Amino acid sequence: AQSVTQLDSHVSVSEGTPVLLRCNYSSSYSPSLFWYVQHPNKGLQLLLKYTSAATLVKGINGFEAEFKKSETSFHLTKPSAHMSDAAEYFCVVSLPLDMRFGAGTRLTVKP
Amino acid sequence: DAMVIQNPRYQVTQFGKPVTLSCSQTLNHNVMYWYQQKSSQAPKLLFHYYDKDFNNEADTPDNFQSRRPNTSFCFLDIRSPGLGDAAMYLCATSAGQTGGSYEQYFGPGTRLTVT
Repeated sequence: AQSVTQLDSHVSVSEGTPVLLRCNYSSSYSPSLFWYVQHPNKGLQLLLKYTSAATLVKGINGFEAEFKKSETSFHLTKPSAHMSDAAEYFCVVSLPLDMRFGAGTRLTVKP
Repeated sequence: DAMVIQNPRYQVTQFGKPVTLSCSQTLNHNVMYWYQQKSSQAPKLLFHYYDKDFNNEADTPDNFQSRRPNTSFCFLDIRSPGLGDAAMYLCATSAGQTGGSYEQYFGPGTRLTVT
């Protein structure tokens, strides 16, 4: 069985400050891990993915995430938030044909 | 560009009136998924097709059916929509077990309103 926990339902930052969205996972196997972003009334867009290669993964729009097996974590970071980053973010753990979503973290960016 | 397309983007139906949502893909992926997403919630998997093999999630209501006539198209049929079925419906595809990273590609979604 596998599951994913996003530790914050809502994160609020000021524009230009760092972003940290936290994710912990549980899996009996070696899963793939993803971060997706969803803007209002839109589909999900892949930000980045971890598939057992480099533990520090760089994604689109300046986001990156670090896979830490000892902590079973896959936290998403960005050095400097932009207003356009305001959205819902989902951490996902995946085995073949079994994708489990976290509950989501809503990121608010204040001017 | 290869993509996942959903039509219509917005659908209004009446209580109890059957409705069909459509999804097409140009990625040539062998797996297609349907998710239901209610407001401020994570997407919930309804079912998926691996090629022609249909796989229903255990808690998907019988009111929801799906058809996949060919690799490119997949339909979601809601036989008798209730007010609780109002949601965003997301279609996704993946390359399946041989795809490597099991990454899913999502369409823009269809927002269903039930009146």
